[in-house]
Amino acid sequence: DTGVSQNPRHKITKRGQNVTFRCDPISEHNRLYWYRQTLGQGPEFLTYFQNEAQLEKSRLLSDRFSAERPKGSFSTLEIQRTEQGDSAMYLCASSPRGQGSYEQYFGPGTRLTVT
Amino acid sequence: GIQVEQSPPDLILQEGANSTLRCNFSDSVNNLQWFHQNPWGQLINLFYIPSGTKQNGRLSATTVATERYSLLYISSSQTTDSGVYFCAVLNYGGATNKLIFGTGTLLAVQP
Repeated sequence: DTGVSQNPRHKITKRGQNVTFRCDPISEHNRLYWYRQTLGQGPEFLTYFQNEAQLEKSRLLSDRFSAERPKGSFSTLEIQRTEQGDSAMYLCASSPRGQGSYEQYFGPGTRLTVT
Repeated sequence: GIQVEQSPPDLILQEGANSTLRCNFSDSVNNLQWFHQNPWGQLINLFYIPSGTKQNGRLSATTVATERYSLLYISSSQTTDSGVYFCAVLNYGGATNKLIFGTGTLLAVQP
């Protein structure tokens, strides 16, 4: 069983450009999460999907951020008009369906640098 | 919201030494996970341990949910154990599924 995968692994962009990241969860995991981690800090929650429904969004997710999971499988996170403060590691995680199965498994992350 | 505190913030060990990392949380939780973040940023699952004790090789963990803390034990440390250790908790009774992470313990194991 393959783990969570994320693409690209690294992204360097100029301020003001739009970027999109992709996450493929572990197969048959119906829950998918996005987190953001800045240097020296623990990951912070951004948003949560159950199947294709986006059920929770953090206040960290400004209007420039949008996430989708159109068919309940892979997910994309788009940042519009990037700012230097968006530089961070963006982590995706998934967890299996069913009550009591809340263990989250993380992908390798996408490291974004905004110049 | 739930607060998660980890101690110590930094730890330097000689190879072969043992250590204990602590995680305190401010409210009842349904999920507690320990992770090791390697130098490339990958979060590796160590334990899913909302309560009780588990062991995996040189690592073991204990969570005392009623007293709101968890401990991670590393025995006979190796240089490959270096990295940041995170504790993360979740209380899905509040209709949320987000993990709340502590600030981590940075471990350096010297040969």
